Order: sequence, then C-alpha cells, then structure tokens
Amino acid sequence: AQKITQTQPGMFVQEKEAVTLDCTYDTSDQSYGLFWYKQPSSGEMIFLIYQGSYDEQNATEGRYSLNFQKARKSANLVISASQLGDSAMYFCAPHYKLSFGAGTTVTVRA
Amino acid sequence: DAGVIQSPRHEVTEMGQEVTLRCKPISGHDYLFWYRQTMMRGLELLIYFNNNVPIDDSGMPEDRFSAKMPNASFSTLKIQPSEPRDSAVYFCASSLRPGLLNTGELFFGEGSRLTVL
Repeated sequence: AQKITQTQPGMFVQEKEAVTLDCTYDTSDQSYGLFWYKQPSSGEMIFLIYQGSYDEQNATEGRYSLNFQKARKSANLVISASQLGDSAMYFCAPHYKLSFGAGTTVTVRA
Repeated sequence: DAGVIQSPRHEVTEMGQEVTLRCKPISGHDYLFWYRQTMMRGLELLIYFNNNVPIDDSGMPEDRFSAKMPNASFSTLKIQPSEPRDSAVYFCASSLRPGLLNTGELFFGEGSRLTVL
C-alpha cells in the first residue's frame, strides 16, 4: 500500500534557528508532485510549497525549502530562521494519493 | 477572489439527527474534496469530485454518509443519522487540474466543526 510517513510527531526549535521536517513516501509512479501544508492552531490549512518529481532544483518559497531526494523517496521541509508564527502542525501530502501524513507539530521557542 | 466557503462553521447536534455540511469551491476549480480531521485518525479523504462527478468515495466511512455536487459551485456532505463518533472537523477543498501553469495544490475552506452529543 502507498504510504506517507512523517516520523516526527513533535519538534521544538529555537527562534531564528532552522528546522527540518521529515517526509518519506512510497510510489511506483515516475511523475508525481509533493505538497507541504501548514495548519496553525486556528485550524486553517495553508499550502506552503510544492515539488514536482521531475524538477531539477529543490523547491524554495521564502523561508521554506524542500530537500528532495527522489531515489530515497524523501521530501523533507526545511524552515529557516524560525519565527514564533511558524508554530503549527505541518503535513506532507503526495499529490498522487490525495491523503496526508500524520503531521509534525512544530513549536518555536522564544 | 473569495476562497472556499464552508457552512456552518460550527454545528452541535444530537445523536440520530441529520447533519448537512455545505461547500462552495473557488470559481473555476474543477476538483472538490471532502476531508475529515480527528485527533485519532488525522486527515482522511472522504470523497472527491471532478467536474461535479464523484470519482472516489472509498473513504466514506459508511452508508450514513453521502455527498453530492449538483453544480460546479456547490457541494454537500450529509450524515444521516449522526453518531457521536462522527464528531470531527470536516474540510472542503478545491483545486485546479495540475498542469503547466499550476501545481494542483488544494485550497481549503476554514472547516466545519461538528459535535454530535
């Protein structure tokens, strides 16, 4: 069965430091997309960043970047220069599956 | 441009009652999704539509759940009869078909928080 694995249920990070959130997936497709979403405590789901499997460069979007390793089937999210407002749940979601990983809760400490 | 609009935002009902959740997707989006979020099960895809046609309803938990999309601008998720275990946040999301100019990311509504007593 296709699986999305986020192994870190919760992480703490100091303000202004970087944090890496893990995501591994399982697919036999050659072409696919990977999304990351943020869910703050207010509950809304916010799209952060996308990586296409054929993109040659790792995706970046402001302070968000993806460490995409296709051979290892991992698409880890890196948040640089963490801010208090980054405290939230983060979900990895391969497009082919339309489902979400279990999520990682990030708490940024001042 | 308005985002995905869901109603009601909060619903408290008693076991056995019918519940109808509503969703207006973003205009021009051709995919619509219903998700359920609970602490125990996380985010689960219930059903999704493409051009108003249900494509995959394998996530619908049982016959008490039904979803319709009578036109491109409206969808409903109905639970009849409701049970306490249906208590959750129900999200509606819409998207464009992935292509050269868009990634197909999901745009979510704010969710409908359902409590069944």
